[in-house]
Amino acid sequence: SQELEQSPQSLIVQEGKNLTINCTSSKTLYGLYWYKQKYGEGLIFLMMLQKGGEEKSHEKITAKLDEKKQQSSLHITASQPSHAGIYLCGADNTDYKLSFGAGTTVTVRA
Amino acid sequence: DTGVSQDPRHKITKRGQNVTFRCDPISEHNRLYWYRQTLGQGPEFLTYFQNEAQLEKSRLLSDRFSAERPKGSFSTLEIQRTEQGDSAMYLCASSLGKGPWDTDTQYFGPGTRLTVL
Repeated sequence: SQELEQSPQSLIVQEGKNLTINCTSSKTLYGLYWYKQKYGEGLIFLMMLQKGGEEKSHEKITAKLDEKKQQSSLHITASQPSHAGIYLCGADNTDYKLSFGAGTTVTVRA
Repeated sequence: DTGVSQDPRHKITKRGQNVTFRCDPISEHNRLYWYRQTLGQGPEFLTYFQNEAQLEKSRLLSDRFSAERPKGSFSTLEIQRTEQGDSAMYLCASSLGKGPWDTDTQYFGPGTRLTVL
């Protein structure tokens, strides 16, 4: 099965500062999904990347897929308290089910 | 579009009891998935439906677990003779259902948190 490793496991950032989360796959990435989860709640879909070199942005969140390195990154610019939560990357293995990383917990300090 | 809903949101039960969870997918979504998530981990796939047909089950789904999706609409996940190790968040997701080589975004419900005492 595909394994995804996320780094860092957790991070604390000052409000207004930028942050980056990485997701590395043990196999070729056919589709990479980023979700956000508040503690004890469900997953909220952020973005999906499919093509090598693809980059997508939504508000202050940008995600990139480096297919050659089997890696994706999620970057948040000028972080706000609303960005706090657990960020999860999920890989589509073309067999419908998603394999997830363990998540990165983001804390934004005022 | 009301999103994926799950009921109940929380369930506390004693070891050995049976529990049933319900998931209502986004309308017109053909695919429905069940995942389990334990503290500090990402969701793990349990099973998947294409309309009413259950097409895949993870080895995590022991014979105490059973899932159904009658008429291809809502789904239920039943756990018989619960064990303390079953304590987890059970997440349901649905997707529109495209061709086999198309990516197909899964939208998740709020989850059902099960605690087995």
